[in-house]
Amino acid sequence: GQNIDQPTEMTATEGAIVQINCTYQTSGFNGLFWYQQHAGEAPTFLSYNVLDGLEEKGRFSSFLSRSKGYSYLLLKELQMKDSASYLCAPRTGGYQKVTFGTGTKLQVIP
Amino acid sequence: GAVVSQHPSRVICKSGTSVKIECRSLDFQATTMFWYRQFPKQSLMLMATSNEGSKATYEQGVEKDKFLINHASLTLSTLTVTSAHPEDSSFYICSANRLAGVETQYFGPGTRLLVL
Repeated sequence: GQNIDQPTEMTATEGAIVQINCTYQTSGFNGLFWYQQHAGEAPTFLSYNVLDGLEEKGRFSSFLSRSKGYSYLLLKELQMKDSASYLCAPRTGGYQKVTFGTGTKLQVIP
Repeated sequence: GAVVSQHPSRVICKSGTSVKIECRSLDFQATTMFWYRQFPKQSLMLMATSNEGSKATYEQGVEKDKFLINHASLTLSTLTVTSAHPEDSSFYICSANRLAGVETQYFGPGTRLLVL
């Protein structure tokens, strides 16, 4: 089975930096997605890591360590609109199945 | 812009009726699509993997006779909730893999089902 662990909730200040950690235990690992989900909406793609290391994309960066089963999402220059749930989602298997944990609900405060 | 569409976005139906939800990949072919369900304040739960031209693969605990999946073309998968009951009320979301450098999974906007 799959086991995905993220903090349930985080609070950060507008303009600051926040790091959301994710640890996972899977079999047949192919890569890891990060998605953003606002309440009542479908997830939107943020990043996909296959190899170890840091991928930077604008204000968002994602890091992966396959050997440690660990990833993080780094959000810089936080904006109020970044308040959302952030989902760490490993991809596994021949059908490229993606499994979600409960996500981290981030609240950005003024 | 959107790469995956779903229709309808919202549906209300009476208990015992069947509801069909369509998932389309826009401007790309998807041999595999996925159907998820999400209850309020819970995580997305994978229901099934939809394979073009073959039977869907259902996750454990998902009734295949209750949730019929048809992936008739490379751009369309449908999920039919048969004999819907109030406990089937949920947010149903599909996704498809698109090759853009690496193969990335994109989600449709979701369908909110309310069974009365």
